Amino acid sequence: EVQLVESGGALIKPGGSLRISCTASGFSFSNAWMSWVRQAPGKGLEWVGRINTKTDGETTDYAAPVKGRFTISRDDSKNTLYLQMNSLKTEDTAVYFCATSVKVVAFDYWGQGTLVTVSS
Amino acid sequence: DIVMTQSPDSLAVSLGERATINCKSSQSLLYSSNNKNYLAWFQQKPGQSPKLLIYWASTRESGVPDRFSGSGSGTDFTLTISSLQAEDVAVYYCQQYYGIPRTFGQGTKVEIK
Repeated sequence: EVQLVESGGALIKPGGSLRISCTASGFSFSNAWMSWVRQAPGKGLEWVGRINTKTDGETTDYAAPVKGRFTISRDDSKNTLYLQMNSLKTEDTAVYFCATSVKVVAFDYWGQGTLVTVSS
Repeated sequence: DIVMTQSPDSLAVSLGERATINCKSSQSLLYSSNNKNYLAWFQQKPGQSPKLLIYWASTRESGVPDRFSGSGSGTDFTLTISSLQAEDVAVYYCQQYYGIPRTFGQGTKVEIK
């Protein structure tokens, strides 16, 4: 069974940093392109960024609002995806989901999300 | 960036009736080399993560009831629920996977009338 489990969400002051994780099981993590998607309270879905596989160079892409502040990385030995968030702003407050495409090209698997709250 | 615009923002439909949600993209999502539209539909119920319903604009994900169908090509797409059930109350999102950044529509809330 495919599972994605996010962790590490917390209450952080503006300007602070936080790293959240997504641990995967049930599929070949090392061969999967992984994404982060966030959802602010009561709002819609916003793609944050993605990382491709080691074979593809572990290249990353980011949405404009987070570029230069957020970094996506992966540890295939631990089947874990990371999102390092620096210079956090109040508008980064959201539930952060990891998502991937296992059987089909669209996001067919999502984690349950982890809440990041940026507030003084 | 490709902008995805859904309409309406919300709709109320009687049980057993048809619900139709539209999604328009700011540029074509049809990739000429494979003749596929890079468009997906998701359902999100309160407190849950999104669930994939449709990909390639019209291919139903495994396990999704056949009352859900997707249609359209290029820049105009539609998600249809042929006979609304109580468990279909949710917010529905379209998303393009043609370009980077991936972008979602703003969501359409479906309720029971």
